Amino acid sequence: QKEVEQNSGPLSVPEGAIASLNCTYSDRGSQSFFWYRQYSGKSPELIMSIYSNGDKEDGRFTAQLNKASQYVSLLIRDSQPSDSATYLCAVNINASYGKLTFGQGTILTVHP
Amino acid sequence: GAVVSQHPSWVICKSGTSVKIECRSLDFQATTMFWYRQFPKQSLMLMATSNEGSKATYEQGVEKDKFLINHASLTLSTLTVTSAHPEDSSFYICSAGKRGSNQPQHFGDGTRLSIL
Repeated sequence: QKEVEQNSGPLSVPEGAIASLNCTYSDRGSQSFFWYRQYSGKSPELIMSIYSNGDKEDGRFTAQLNKASQYVSLLIRDSQPSDSATYLCAVNINASYGKLTFGQGTILTVHP
Repeated sequence: GAVVSQHPSWVICKSGTSVKIECRSLDFQATTMFWYRQFPKQSLMLMATSNEGSKATYEQGVEKDKFLINHASLTLSTLTVTSAHPEDSSFYICSAGKRGSNQPQHFGDGTRLSIL
C-alpha cells in the first residue's frame, strides 16, 4: 500500500461545479496535511494546510480531514477553467524531519 | 507565504558539463531544504534532504557523487549535477522548510535542465 494515495484521475467537471479531490494516507501518526496545485510546467504552489479534524475553508477551497479514517479531501466550489491543474496531496509523516510524502496527483480539468 | 527563489530557471548545456542550481529562502531561515526531480507527466520524486551545516541525506537510488548538495547557510542550498548526461534532463525543484516544524514546504519555481 502506498503511503499517500489520491483518487485516480483525470477528473473533469463543468465550469461552476464542485470538484472533489480525495486522498488517503497510511501512517496514523501523521500530523500535517497539505494540498498543492501544480500547473503544467510549473512548480507546486500551496493552496491549503490542515492539521486538525474537520473542515477548513479558504475562499472557494475547503479542506476536510478525518484522522480516524485517515482521509483528507479538497473541495473546489464554483470551479473555473483556471483551476485546471494537477492537485497534489502531501502528508508530513514525521514532523521532526519536515519531509513530505506526496500522492501521485490528480489531474483536474474544468471545461467551460 | 514564504518566498523561495531558485536560479537558473532554464539551463541547456552539453553532455559532460556540470550544472549548479541555487535555492534561496528570501524571507525565513530554512533549516531544511529539499531537492526534487520531476519527469514529464510524473509526480515529484524527492532526491535529497539538505540540513544547514550538515551532510545531505539522499533517497535510495540517488547517486550522491553525481548530485552534490551544499547547504552552507540558512538561506542558501545548492545542487550541482556533475558531468550531466541526457538522462539527467528533467525539472529540478527545491523547497524550503524548518526542521521540527509541521509547517508546509514552500517551493522554488524550478529549473528545467536540458542536456544535449
